[in-house]
Amino acid sequence: QAVLTQPSSLSASPGASASLTCTLRSGINVDSYRIYWYQQKPGSPPQYLLRYKSDSDKQQGSGVPSRFSGSKIPSANAGILFISGLQSEDEADYHCMIWHSSAWVFGGGTKLTVL
Amino acid sequence: QVQLVQSGGEVKMPGASVQVSCKASGYTFTNYGISWVRQAPGQGLEWMGWISADNGNTNYAQNLQGRVIMTTDTSTSTAYMELRSLTSDDTAVYYCLRDVKSLTMSGGPDYWGQGALVTVSS
Repeated sequence: QAVLTQPSSLSASPGASASLTCTLRSGINVDSYRIYWYQQKPGSPPQYLLRYKSDSDKQQGSGVPSRFSGSKIPSANAGILFISGLQSEDEADYHCMIWHSSAWVFGGGTKLTVL
Repeated sequence: QVQLVQSGGEVKMPGASVQVSCKASGYTFTNYGISWVRQAPGQGLEWMGWISADNGNTNYAQNLQGRVIMTTDTSTSTAYMELRSLTSDDTAVYYCLRDVKSLTMSGGPDYWGQGALVTVSS
């Protein structure tokens, strides 16, 4: 089982909100981890959005709009990237990442379609 | 502004080695480290390893141990990643990322280079 699991795709309408999940493997407690989120558009490198561990331990990337935010669902052992007021420019791949067992580990990525 | 500018794409034969460079600007190079990440065509991201630009300490991904070497040149603020014994499975875009200078520090990768496509083909 992969360390981090993301749904392969998600669709949402312009102006709506989207919650992208990043589920940690059973036995790895989401409470203990900072979760990093990156956005990648076709043909471009990923860009840092934010990291989230708790409301007192979080960081927004430089220039990243506040409509991008992080949270967790402890009962689901998952991290969440929440995007409000979806815009067409938000259509991209989104990758989550944690530091686990002395390595950066990525999820498989979620392709967000805004239509 | 922080910039990481990588060398260009390369085509290599199976069994050969490749070196990708990453020139940093806009920040104090030795206050950070560099991680390397690759992305095979149509696939997700794979972390390859990390090097401290402060003291040269390294931490490589287990599956690449013995095949990858990461170095830095502080005089030119440039990081290098060499991958040996290439196979077609190594065909990917290789990215450098600004990371923490010590793995005991909080924080993680923020800025990314533009990527370098390495194609392994006979």
